[in-house]
Amino acid sequence: ETGVTQTPRHLVMGMTNKKSLKCEQHLGHNAMYWYKQSAKKPLELMFVYSLEERVENNSVPSRFSPECPNSSHLFLHLHTLQPEDSALYLCASSQDLGGRDIQYFGAGTRLSVL
Amino acid sequence: AQSVTQLDSHVSVSEGTPVLLRCNYSSSYSPSLFWYVQHPNKGLQLLLKYTSAATLVKGINGFEAEFKKSETSFHLTKPSAHMSDAAEYFCVVSGNSNDYKLSFGAGTTVTVRA
Repeated sequence: ETGVTQTPRHLVMGMTNKKSLKCEQHLGHNAMYWYKQSAKKPLELMFVYSLEERVENNSVPSRFSPECPNSSHLFLHLHTLQPEDSALYLCASSQDLGGRDIQYFGAGTRLSVL
Repeated sequence: AQSVTQLDSHVSVSEGTPVLLRCNYSSSYSPSLFWYVQHPNKGLQLLLKYTSAATLVKGINGFEAEFKKSETSFHLTKPSAHMSDAAEYFCVVSGNSNDYKLSFGAGTTVTVRA
């Protein structure tokens, strides 16, 4: 395992539900990321946090709301999602924010929106 | 800005034969380049990383990649494929050392025939 744990692994929700994805890193890293992985598309960066401050919001719709209460935990709160939001959501962490820093990924949450 | 193109969406090899996954990149800076592997229902795992040191980079599980600036390529190879190498492989490029944003290729799916 890479030291990045995501829960739940699978989630099915209706368009009116509210749910949250959780990510925890045990690596002592300072930066955490949310990515969206859709079939046949490159990974899309959604949000980036460094030392619990959001440094990137990559034009993500407001129905996705991130939260980083401390440097080890990252949440993605979901509400009124659309079917096209069905995807694999990956969390990653890195020691710091930099192009040379390796990003370590969790196993992802497979989200299905009905 | 940087980008990466994986030239093959799917590669099929026989067990014990060489594997070649092709990747071309573009970057305005001296890039960092990575190869990640994703097995089914798993997150992305780093295979190897290039950051302007030796142009031939050795990674885990017998994989290696060669950085060729003149050809803007970073192809991944393995001399002898194993059944466990069946997975999706991503070539990734970052910009300068201060740029945490990674550009992911669309991925190459590798199947290994017995």
